[in-house]
Amino acid sequence: GDSVTQMEGPVTLSEEAFLTINCTYTATGYPSLFWYVQYPGEGLQLLLKATKADDKGSNKGFEATYRKETTSFHLEKGSVQVSDSAVYFCALSGTGRRALTFGSGTRLQVQP
Amino acid sequence: DARVTQTPRHKVTEMGQEVTMRCQPILGHNTVFWYRQTMMQGLELLAYFRNRAPLDDSGMPKDRFSAEMPDATLATLKIQPSEPRDSAVYFCASGQKRDRDTEAFFGQGTRLTVV
Repeated sequence: GDSVTQMEGPVTLSEEAFLTINCTYTATGYPSLFWYVQYPGEGLQLLLKATKADDKGSNKGFEATYRKETTSFHLEKGSVQVSDSAVYFCALSGTGRRALTFGSGTRLQVQP
Repeated sequence: DARVTQTPRHKVTEMGQEVTMRCQPILGHNTVFWYRQTMMQGLELLAYFRNRAPLDDSGMPKDRFSAEMPDATLATLKIQPSEPRDSAVYFCASGQKRDRDTEAFFGQGTRLTVV
């Protein structure tokens, strides 16, 4: 079945550092890929998405590129802020009856 | 601003009691998901519906959990009887199924504590 694997956290960075959170997936067919973010006490919010190979999703300075050859969708940001501290979830959505499948989440802590 | 609304936001109940969680999906969305989030298990899919019909409820303990959509504006998740291990945050999400994917919009969750 479909699965998503994320790097374990927490990831602790200083403000303005470069961020990478790794995500790889296993799925049949050509899924769409997502990054969601969860702030403390909140539900998940869609951060960005990509629907086909080589697509780049971007939002709020975050980017991720759909790499079919490596089955990856790594999240990057050039300069993180304290307000980016949250838990980040990678997810995929296949065609047909399959629901959204989430990774285990990666907690990011950004220190001033 | 369209959003998924979940009630109650917090629920504390005694073991053995019935718990009902409600969700109002975004108007026009044809897909509703129920997820459970715990520290140990992360996000688990319990059930999901498309056009009010259940498509997958394999993640739900059938003996005590039930999920329904009485109409397009309401989804319910019931636990009877509740147990301490059911303590978690329960999220409802809704989305619109397109050709290739379903983008989900999450509610703020119901934090359930069973004592």
